[in-house]
Amino acid sequence: SQKIEQNSEALNIQEGKTATLTCNYTNYSPAYLQWYRQDPGRGPVFLLLIRENEKEKRKERLKVTFDTTLKQSLFHITASQPADSATYLCALDYTGGFKTIFGAGTRLFVKA
Amino acid sequence: EAGVVQSPRYKIIEKKQPVAFWCNPISGHNTLYWYRQNLGQGPELLIRYENEEAVDDSQLPKDRFSAERLKGVDSTLKIQPAELGDSAVYLCASSSGLAGEQETQYFGPGTRLLVL
Repeated sequence: SQKIEQNSEALNIQEGKTATLTCNYTNYSPAYLQWYRQDPGRGPVFLLLIRENEKEKRKERLKVTFDTTLKQSLFHITASQPADSATYLCALDYTGGFKTIFGAGTRLFVKA
Repeated sequence: EAGVVQSPRYKIIEKKQPVAFWCNPISGHNTLYWYRQNLGQGPELLIRYENEEAVDDSQLPKDRFSAERLKGVDSTLKIQPAELGDSAVYLCASSSGLAGEQETQYFGPGTRLLVL
């Protein structure tokens, strides 16, 4: 079965630094990969999507990379702010639509 | 534009009691999902609807869980009877189904269920 691994330990960084979160997966190659943000007591919020034929995608301070050889995605937040503190979920879709599998998420703390 | 609406936000019941959750997706979204999220874990898909048809319910424990989306708009998820292990957050999400946009899911705030 498909397995997704995200850093189980929380990531603590200083404001202004770049946060890098990792998502590793096993078995089949996904059609695309998504990153979501989740705040306590709220549902996940979509951030970025990257497809299997893309290497990198950017949106403002966010950058996602996708290495299908390593079976890994990296999620970067540059110039991090305390407001970026949240849990970040990696999600993979293996069927090209609608079969989304989520990782357990990585908790990010950005200190002022 | 209103987001995905879920109710209730919180529910506390005793084991063996029934419970129901309601979801109203974003207007015009044909695809609706129900997920269960345990503490410290990511959401796990229970069932997905395309309009009123359940197209993926392979992870739904059918002995006690049921769901419906009769008119292809809002949906209800029911548990009967509830067990202690059902305590979790139940999330509803929807997506547009439009080409190039169908992958993005919009989540509601969830219903936090506690079974005593």
